[in-house]
Amino acid sequence: EDQVTQSPEALRLQEGESSSLNCSYTVSGLRGLFWYRQDPGKGPEFLFTLYSAGEEKEKERLKATLTKKESFLHITAPKPEDSATYLCAVQARFSNDYKLSFGAGTTVTVRA
Amino acid sequence: KAGVTQTPRYLIKTRGQQVTLSCSPISGHRSVSWYQQTPGQGLQFLFEYFSETQRNKGNFPGRFSGRQFSNSRSEMNVSTLELGDSALYLCASSLVAGLAGDTQYFGPGTRLTVL
Repeated sequence: EDQVTQSPEALRLQEGESSSLNCSYTVSGLRGLFWYRQDPGKGPEFLFTLYSAGEEKEKERLKATLTKKESFLHITAPKPEDSATYLCAVQARFSNDYKLSFGAGTTVTVRA
Repeated sequence: KAGVTQTPRYLIKTRGQQVTLSCSPISGHRSVSWYQQTPGQGLQFLFEYFSETQRNKGNFPGRFSGRQFSNSRSEMNVSTLELGDSALYLCASSLVAGLAGDTQYFGPGTRLTVL
């Protein structure tokens, strides 16, 4: 069964203090690894899709990277508006099951 | 382009009742998936529909069911509600699902409270 583990559970940062979130996964062939951002009471907002080891994607202060066993979401010089829960999910390749298997998320709080 | 819409946004029901939630996918998207989100279990997959057919189902009891219409809109139904069904129910749509690059986009969710 697909497994996704995110760490840390919570991260408190000072504005401008860069950091990284980790997503470790076990899947029988990776179709895609997805990062989402979720604000309280709202649906997850799509950030990135990564497909193969070595791939990197960037958007504003966020950069996602992928290896064969884990993905990192780097937050550079965060601002208070980056405060949210960041969710990682995987989709397996070798099946007709297209569900996303999610990690528990990392809640990031950025203080001004 | 309008995003995924879900109605209603909030629902309060009592144990034993049933409820129907609705989801309208992004225009042109043919796959709709449903997830349940709770503080204890996180996001868990319920089922996925494509072209009016349920392709996959998660590990939920038969009280949870769904369907998809020819315009790709989807509904999910929960019968005989239990306290543990209180959750945020999320709908996600994608163009086809299963293809590389086929991202699932989520709606705002329906917050169901069972008393």
